[in-house]
Amino acid sequence: QQPVQSPQAVILREGEDAVINCSSSKALYSVHWYRQKHGEAPVFLMILLKGGEQKGHDKISASFNEKKQQSSLYLTASQLSYSGTYFCGTEEQGGSEKLVFGKGTKLTVNP
Amino acid sequence: DSGVTQTPKHLITATGQRVTLRCSPRSGDLSVYWYQQSLDQGLQFLIQYYNGEERAKGNILERFSAQQFPDLHSELNLSSLELGDSALYFCASSVPGGSTEAFFGQGTRLTVV
Repeated sequence: QQPVQSPQAVILREGEDAVINCSSSKALYSVHWYRQKHGEAPVFLMILLKGGEQKGHDKISASFNEKKQQSSLYLTASQLSYSGTYFCGTEEQGGSEKLVFGKGTKLTVNP
Repeated sequence: DSGVTQTPKHLITATGQRVTLRCSPRSGDLSVYWYQQSLDQGLQFLIQYYNGEERAKGNILERFSAQQFPDLHSELNLSSLELGDSALYFCASSVPGGSTEAFFGQGTRLTVV
């Protein structure tokens, strides 16, 4: 079951904040976040396991609400290098480690 | 460099043909995933192998098949190719145990003409 991401696209000015949401209709075991720049492979950002754990590094953090099967990625004080398409990937509880991605959120950070 | 190697990088072929995409996972990774990414589309999960065995199937067409060999490299076979099969095909690998970082290869861009 493919997770649903919102918004589909975001345009920011450098220094602004953004939130990208990911939701699933299935009970989740984990949520993964990846960033893909145009023409490149997706790159891992972080994993959140069930338990509502919040993670982050630098100015990018994420949360996972396992009751609602929702995750949010927070980008604060955005930098030009944050531009790209962000994908959330989900693993269902009791699953086979199958990692299914949403359609992505395209983030553009302008000077 | 993620450590995952995909060959070839580019492939141009005609409709109706068959191609094989190859993926060498990172050393020690037992899981291999295949994804299809069409223009402006997300990453569509195709299939997952774990230590030579098929672990999970996604939206993989019957014309497509895959396998993972004893040395853990994997091949994705696409047959009776159609124009709509043109896409970027990614392979990713991860360590055993699940819920770990997946490392993506640089992808194979397939163009069907």
